[in-house]
Amino acid sequence: QKEVEQNSGPLSVPEGAIASLNCTYSDRGSQSFFWYRQYSGKSPELIMFIYSNGDKEDGRFTAQLNKASQYVSLLIRDSQPSDSATYLCAVTYTGRRALTFGSGTRLQVQP
Amino acid sequence: GAGVSQSPRYKVAKRGQDVALRCDPISGHVSLFWYQQALGQGPEFLTYFQNEAQLDKSGLPSDRFFAERPEGSVSTLKIQRTQQEDSAVYLCASSSRDDYGYTFGSGTRLTVV
Repeated sequence: QKEVEQNSGPLSVPEGAIASLNCTYSDRGSQSFFWYRQYSGKSPELIMFIYSNGDKEDGRFTAQLNKASQYVSLLIRDSQPSDSATYLCAVTYTGRRALTFGSGTRLQVQP
Repeated sequence: GAGVSQSPRYKVAKRGQDVALRCDPISGHVSLFWYQQALGQGPEFLTYFQNEAQLDKSGLPSDRFFAERPEGSVSTLKIQRTQQEDSAVYLCASSSRDDYGYTFGSGTRLTVV
């Protein structure tokens, strides 16, 4: 069973702090890793993706991938109330275009 | 169009009814995906098209679910004899051939009563 695990939260952080969201996956055939943000009642929107070990930065967002430990994380610096949403981790497997999503972590940024 | 367009936005069906959900992808996007999202869960993959070819339908939960994309553009997801467990948001997404970052539509919320 291919699984992507996320803590459902809510993760509550004060405005301006760093929010750290984590995701583990069970299949070592996992190839690429994605973070999506989903506001309540809206569709998921892609934040960033990563496929090589290490860090990838895009503005206030940093994705971190550790294939040996089978985890991927998303750091949000200088968190804003507008960052309050559910963050979905997703993976693809070699040879497939389908994304396997976790259940998401709800982030609350307190003003 | 500028984004992925889905219709209807909301659908209420009586148990046993057939429903058809439409997806109009971003112009030029050859890849089209359908996902099902239950309340409080992440989206679950249903099926994938590249142009008119359905390359992966491994996520369709039963033979009551059927998808088509006959001209390689608009796609329809059909659910026959709807059951209460089919109640969910059905998301369509599209991408260019090699782009793994999908763009999702706003979804169709299906409620089976």
